[in-house]
Amino acid sequence: EIVMTQSPATLSVSPGERATLSCRASQSVSSNLAWYQQKPGQAPRLLIYGASTRATGIPARFSGSGSGTEFTLTISSLQSEDFAVYYCQQYNNWPPALTFGGGTKVEIK
Amino acid sequence: QVTLRESGPALVKPTQTLTLTCTFSGFSLSTSGMCVSWIRQPPGKALEWLALIDWDDDKYYSTSLKTRLTISKDTSKNQVVLTMTNMDPVDTATYYCARIGRAHYMDVWGKGTTVTVSS
Repeated sequence: EIVMTQSPATLSVSPGERATLSCRASQSVSSNLAWYQQKPGQAPRLLIYGASTRATGIPARFSGSGSGTEFTLTISSLQSEDFAVYYCQQYNNWPPALTFGGGTKVEIK
Repeated sequence: QVTLRESGPALVKPTQTLTLTCTFSGFSLSTSGMCVSWIRQPPGKALEWLALIDWDDDKYYSTSLKTRLTISKDTSKNQVVLTMTNMDPVDTATYYCARIGRAHYMDVWGKGTTVTVSS
């Protein structure tokens, strides 16, 4: 099983500042990585797929990068609605053995 | 518009079998490449993938839970059913279903259904 490790567990950021979230895979997942945003009491929402492609309707302040085992989600200028938990997930293993990271909580500083 | 909705009991007793239904619209699970997956999230914890069924009726399960899970589909009703046997309090979680397309990421999620396991 591919293990996904996210860091940091919690990120304290002021509105308007940049946030950088990391995700590491225990083995290469190529670019088969997605990022999801989850707000309290809500289902996860797809932000990024293919490591760097924004999903429909996702603002340009969200960007993804990386390939292989190291990935980054950057939020260029945090808005109030961006404070949430973010999960990475690999889908390289197919037939599937899909795995999620442990999440990074982005909180208001 | 693609939507998914989970339904099932809110409370089950230990050792019982849980049956959850995902009812979807806006796509067909008979379309090549389409899949529906189940994911769960214990309170305050991370997401955990459980199972997936594809358009060709192939089924895949989490290694750690495969002995307890069964996934099935009723294409005519646009439903996917997940059963989990021998429920335990540690299985208390919100259970989600999600669509997976040809590119294999989960692009649309249901709102989730919360299941508590308690006697």
